[in-house]
Amino acid sequence: GAVVSQHPSWVICKSGTSVKIECRSLDFQATTMFWYRQFPKQSLMLMATSNEGSKATYEQGVEKDKFLINHASLTLSTLTVTSAHPEDSSFYICSARDRGKSTDTQYFGPGTRLTVL
Amino acid sequence: AQRVTQPEKLLSVFKGAPVELKCNYSYSGSPELFWYVQYSRQRLQLLLRHISRESIKGFTADLNKGETSFHLKKPFAQEEDSAMYYCALTGGADGLTFGKGTHLIIQP
Repeated sequence: GAVVSQHPSWVICKSGTSVKIECRSLDFQATTMFWYRQFPKQSLMLMATSNEGSKATYEQGVEKDKFLINHASLTLSTLTVTSAHPEDSSFYICSARDRGKSTDTQYFGPGTRLTVL
Repeated sequence: AQRVTQPEKLLSVFKGAPVELKCNYSYSGSPELFWYVQYSRQRLQLLLRHISRESIKGFTADLNKGETSFHLKKPFAQEEDSAMYYCALTGGADGLTFGKGTHLIIQP
């Protein structure tokens, strides 16, 4: 149980285009999902917290107009990287908190590797 | 500001030897501490959390509030323990703050 999927697993796009990444909780409902970013050989950095039915909360230094987050249902959150540039190339990882459990365990997706040319 | 420090980027030990991966944290309040593990080509997965006080795959970690530490230990390392280990904390409903990770290599 507690599986989180991400789609696509990797994407290559041209500079200036927008890319949408999906995060789904497959066998549980997630009122809260989180988006992280990981640069090569570095740790995961929290970008934003996505709550179902409300606006996302962004960490300091993360541009909300650049990284659009939509959490339209209890099993789906999307991250759209708008007008992507090469410096946005990174590994984007989502996690989801199981609504049905009292603990704060986050279950992680496999990540999406974005390369902007 | 909250912070998690893992001083060792790489730790190499022989099979059967004891393992200790260090983690220190900075947080104003009562955080929840976790250890996550990432095996080669796999996603990040929870190894253990301090409130559970359980042993997973032979690993244990004790929260020491006085030293603000949450070191991960295993008495006898196994080759399948080779992986990337991340210490992380949260204040509750928030996202996780991760350390930079320690790459553990178990030599045969």
